[in-house]
Amino acid sequence: NAGVTQTPKFRVLKTGQSMTLLCAQDMNHEYMYWYRQDPGMGLRLIHYSVGEGTTAKGEVPDGYNVSRLKKQNFLLGLESAAPSQTSVYFCASSWIAGEQYFGPGTRLTVT
Amino acid sequence: KQEVTQIPAALSVPEGENLVLNCSFTDSAIYNLQWFRQDPGKGLTSLLLIQSSQREQTSGRLNASLDKSSGRSTLYIAASQPGDSATYLCAAPTGANNLFFGTGTRLTVIP
Repeated sequence: NAGVTQTPKFRVLKTGQSMTLLCAQDMNHEYMYWYRQDPGMGLRLIHYSVGEGTTAKGEVPDGYNVSRLKKQNFLLGLESAAPSQTSVYFCASSWIAGEQYFGPGTRLTVT
Repeated sequence: KQEVTQIPAALSVPEGENLVLNCSFTDSAIYNLQWFRQDPGKGLTSLLLIQSSQREQTSGRLNASLDKSSGRSTLYIAASQPGDSATYLCAAPTGANNLFFGTGTRLTVIP
């Protein structure tokens, strides 16, 4: 039982490049989330999903897209990376109104 | 929008001391509140989840309380140890279990 895993762990992008972050969970959770963590700002919700095939915007969705084609996977895409997207990205999953379990994070630097 | 505040931002105590971390939130219509621990450069580890119907929850040396009417939660750590040194985050949900985080209390336990 791996819990929540994230790929990759680290990435450096140049401005304008694109990439996809992968989150996988093996707990059969319905809900999945993407957060970003910045110094002094705390964690903020980017997008979330309440089930396979569904996605919704969180607090800071601009510049990101997501997809949930399979229940266990939640993908976060950056179409044209900007330096303001330099951050640590965390994925989480939960049952409905339940405890959230977090992945180890992806440290992204955009130069 | 839910706003979560944690006081103090940093706390340093000698080993063995009991301590209390504070969390306040603005929207009392929550169905649970979650406390996390984060070590430097690492992900979030869930410590305690308090359902809105509960007033407190205990795990080992940790005890968390919840007072929805006043918009406050506390995390009590008994007999602190150097291994307790970390940043402690509280998070209150809205909507589809979307968490709003405080910026955390950085705890240092001095041997």
